Parts: sequence; structure tokens; C-alpha cells
Amino acid sequence: NAGVTQTPKFRVLKTGQSMTLLCAQDMNHEYMYWYRQDPGMGLRLIHYSVGEGTTAKGEVPDGYNVSRLKKQNFLLGLESAAPSQTSVYFCASSYSTRGTEAFFGQGTRLTVV
Amino acid sequence: DAKTTQPTSMDCAEGRAANLPCNHSTISGNEYVYWYRQIHSQGPQYIIHGLKNNETNEMASLIITEDRKSSTLILPHATLRDTAVYYCILTSGTYKYIFGTGTRLKVLA
Repeated sequence: NAGVTQTPKFRVLKTGQSMTLLCAQDMNHEYMYWYRQDPGMGLRLIHYSVGEGTTAKGEVPDGYNVSRLKKQNFLLGLESAAPSQTSVYFCASSYSTRGTEAFFGQGTRLTVV
Repeated sequence: DAKTTQPTSMDCAEGRAANLPCNHSTISGNEYVYWYRQIHSQGPQYIIHGLKNNETNEMASLIITEDRKSSTLILPHATLRDTAVYYCILTSGTYKYIFGTGTRLKVLA
């Protein structure tokens, strides 16, 4: 039982390049989330999904796209990376937000140069 | 979503109880109080949650005031490994966990 797995763990991109971050969970959770965390700050919600085929915007969605084609996977895309997107990205999943906990991945450290 | 207010930082002596407060004066009736912690730059770790009643598990206790406008996370015997940033979060049926800036707890030897 791996929980929440993020791929890759580290990545360096050049400005303007694109990439996709993969989040996979094996707990059959309905809800999945993508957060970013900048130095010295809390986590900010980028996008989230309440089920397969659904996505919704969070607090800071600009510059990112997401897809949830399979229940166990939640992909975060950067179409044209910018230095302001340098951050640590965390994925999480939960059964619900009412009385159950969210499980987090170990993060992806992304640097855009 | 209702917001939470936490002190920026706190110190606690090793072996003593750590009491971390959280103010959520605009909490609504269906919002749960969750506590997570983040050690170094690892993914946040779930600690405990509650709705109205006080809760206890193997990690901590959660005390929620009767009016539900504030709560306290209690780590009964803090160790150096409890040094972390602790987040108090409110959730409801909006499907989102919204993090604030948290309290940086330093456990001192």
C-alpha cells in the first residue's frame, strides 16, 4: 500500500518549457488535490477534483491545468513554465472532507530557470 | 471557507505538554476542525480532527470550546521530533482543505 505517490521528485525546467506532474493514489479516494508551497509559506490550493472526470479551481489556478481521467491519477500540467512557478508541489487525496483525513505525497521540488 | 488564526511560533520544553491554540471565530455549524503538521519540507501529516466534542488519539488531544470559536491541540509529552509547523484547518462540504500559515513549534532540549 503506497498511499500517495508523486512523480517526479525533482525537476529543473527552462522558462517556457512544459511538463506534467503525476499524482497516483491507491486508496480508492474520490477527492484529490494539488497544492504549491513557497518558502516560508503555507500550502496554497491550485486545483482539486471531487471524482473521476471532474476538476475545479482552487486558490491559485492560473498557469496550471489538471486532468483526472482515471480515479487513481491526478495530473498537474504547466504549459509554459515561468520562474514564479518555482515551488514545492504537493498532491493529496481523501475519501471526503467531512470526518476523514487527507493523505499527502512527499512533494515535487520544481525549479524554473 | 471560514479562516483560522494561529500564533506564528511557539517554544516548548521537551517532555512538557505543548498547547497550540487556534482561533476560528467564524466557523459554521458543519465545519470540522483538522490539525496537520509538516516536518521540514515533508508532506503534511494528519494529526487529529473534531466537530464538536473533544477528541484524543495516540498522537494528540483536541479541545474545542463549547461555542466552537476556538480550539487547542495538545501534544501531551513533546519530544524533539515534534518540532514542526502545525496547521489548523476548517473543512466542510466544500471539498477543500485550505491551509493558513500555521504555528512553528520548536521543542527545546
